[in-house]
Amino acid sequence: KQEVTQIPAALSVPEGENLVLNCSFTDSAIYNLQWFRQDPGKGLTSLLLIQSSQREQTSGRLNASLDKSSGRSTLYIAASQPGDSATYLCAPGNAGNMLTFGGGTRLMVKP
Amino acid sequence: NAGVTQTPKFQVLKTGQSMTLQCAQDMNHNSMYWYRQDPGMGLRLIYYSASEGTTDKGEVPNGYNVSRLNKREFSLRLESAAPSQTSVYFCASSVEYRGWDTQYFGPGTRLTVL
Repeated sequence: KQEVTQIPAALSVPEGENLVLNCSFTDSAIYNLQWFRQDPGKGLTSLLLIQSSQREQTSGRLNASLDKSSGRSTLYIAASQPGDSATYLCAPGNAGNMLTFGGGTRLMVKP
Repeated sequence: NAGVTQTPKFQVLKTGQSMTLQCAQDMNHNSMYWYRQDPGMGLRLIYYSASEGTTDKGEVPNGYNVSRLNKREFSLRLESAAPSQTSVYFCASSVEYRGWDTQYFGPGTRLTVL
């Protein structure tokens, strides 16, 4: 059974800092991995999807990397802004697109 | 284009009552999913439907039933609600295109069972 761990569980940083969110998973036989953002009381928004054959994906200030063999993914946020405050969820997917979610990292960016 | 919609947004039930959570998507997606999210935890898959007319159990199906009414709609039913089913329920849909399969989520239903 896939298990996903996200570290840290919570993070508070001043505006402008570059930061890294970590995700580890136990079963490396994944098809892809997605990073989601969840705002309080809202649904999830997909940020980035990395296929198992890829090493990284970039979207604006966000960069996600994947090391499938070691069961790790990182989400790098450059020049953080208060609007980045949210919970970030990592979810590796199997071939049937079944996602297993981590518990999330709750990020607070202070002005 | 509303994406994935869910009704109701909030619901309070008494133990033993039944209810159906509704989900609809207007993106012509084949696959639909029901998740639950408990405080401090990630989402856990309850049921999914890979296509119209098919449904399969996920990680936590006990106490729930689903119906894929048509391609657009996927409902989740609690036959006899229990306090352990207090949670936020999310519906999602997805379609695979050239190996990319991103799930799109609805805003959620907050359910409290007393």
